[in-house]
Amino acid sequence: SYDVTQPPSVSVAPGQTARITCSGEKIGSNSVHWYQRKPGQAPVLVMFDDDDRPSGIPVRLSGSNSGDTATLTISRVEAGDEADYYCQVWDFTHGHPVFGGGTQLTV
Amino acid sequence: VDLLESGGGLGQPGGSLRLSCSTSGFSFRNYAMTWVRQAPGKGLQWVSAITDDGDRTFYAASVRGRFSISRDNSKNILFLQMDSLRAEDTAVYFCAKASEGIFGLVTAFDSWGLGTRVTVSS
Repeated sequence: SYDVTQPPSVSVAPGQTARITCSGEKIGSNSVHWYQRKPGQAPVLVMFDDDDRPSGIPVRLSGSNSGDTATLTISRVEAGDEADYYCQVWDFTHGHPVFGGGTQLTV
Repeated sequence: VDLLESGGGLGQPGGSLRLSCSTSGFSFRNYAMTWVRQAPGKGLQWVSAITDDGDRTFYAASVRGRFSISRDNSKNILFLQMDSLRAEDTAVYFCAKASEGIFGLVTAFDSWGLGTRVTVSS
């Protein structure tokens, strides 16, 4: 299967910038989507097609994707951003989506 | 957009469960739908998907031949029939709405339910 790797955890102070990476071979040629999952809540799509924000997602969140790494950047981090974040890409070999292992963001 | 899963609970190894996902707030018949699960302490795992018209279905290798996805576009409900249950199927199962009617390499999942818990144990 297509291996997609995320750091298990990222920790930042409030007001700083958090960068969550999603690494995979030539992932830059793939569309990457990002989801936020808080305990007891439904996952929320926070970024799609690398760098598009769904309506209602603050402009503090941005995305990029090039080479072997996609990145979700959260500027001016707030306590409410604390959550698990998952990237999703297409596995061309098996013909279905795969999720990264998830990154726990601690503020 | 509202998605509400039901049907989870305790299942016996080798047994069956049928999950349902009742939807409202969007034109259900125009969107592909999917099931994603999260085992205890683990990350999200894609399980299965179905196109808007129900003509095409897709499965992860770990559930192919045991799970069956279907939909009733007249009632706006998505189903997941789970047979030959295994302990490793224990997870919270989420249904999610796809961003388009087809299911392909740019499909994102833009609305999710809260999930229903499935425990497989004797």
